[in-house]
Amino acid sequence: ETGVTQSPTHLIKTRGQQVTLRCSSQSGHNTVSWYQQALGQGPQFIFQYYREEENGRGNFPPRFSGLQFPNYSSELNVNALELDDSALYLCASSSMKDLVDTQYFGPGTRLTVL
Amino acid sequence: AQTVTQSQPEMSVQEAETVTLSCTYDTSESDYYLFWYKQPPSRQMILVIRQEAYKQQNATENRFSVNFQKAAKSFSLKISDSQLGDAAMYFCAYRIIQGAQKLVFGQGTRLTINP
Repeated sequence: ETGVTQSPTHLIKTRGQQVTLRCSSQSGHNTVSWYQQALGQGPQFIFQYYREEENGRGNFPPRFSGLQFPNYSSELNVNALELDDSALYLCASSSMKDLVDTQYFGPGTRLTVL
Repeated sequence: AQTVTQSQPEMSVQEAETVTLSCTYDTSESDYYLFWYKQPPSRQMILVIRQEAYKQQNATENRFSVNFQKAAKSFSLKISDSQLGDAAMYFCAYRIIQGAQKLVFGQGTRLTINP
């Protein structure tokens, strides 16, 4: 069984640029959630995708957007990067078919905005 | 709004000893799930244990067990026979049953294992 994978591992951007982060969900999972984890903090929910549609969103501005593809992989796009966007971005996949639908996390992408 | 509080930023324990990490949460929901995740320096968040709020029995996974006190909104994690590989950040998380699978995390507790 393949776990959740994310790419790239690290990324450095400058303020105002745009970035795309990618996530492949665990085999058999149809739901993907994205979280932002600032240094020394717990992860904060950005949004979730189920069957290619946004299924819930946290307190993040519209310049954070996403996509889910038919194979359940997902992208997180961030426009007009700000210094405060520097963080670890975590992707988690789960299956709506599971009673508890536990989320399983990928290793994250470390984004640095200069 | 749901909140999760971990009041211990750091904890340390001697190898082979037992340690308990605290977590409290605030919610008006009656049905929800609670989780403990571990995040080692490799950064990957790993599920340690989960508890369904409708179950009175405390969850156990090998050396890991929880003390779930629903009325007190408390969900502590006990690690028995601590091992060096248990060193990590531990996050308590909460999720309602209905709607999006939004996990609400606490601030984390850094656990150090002393050999």
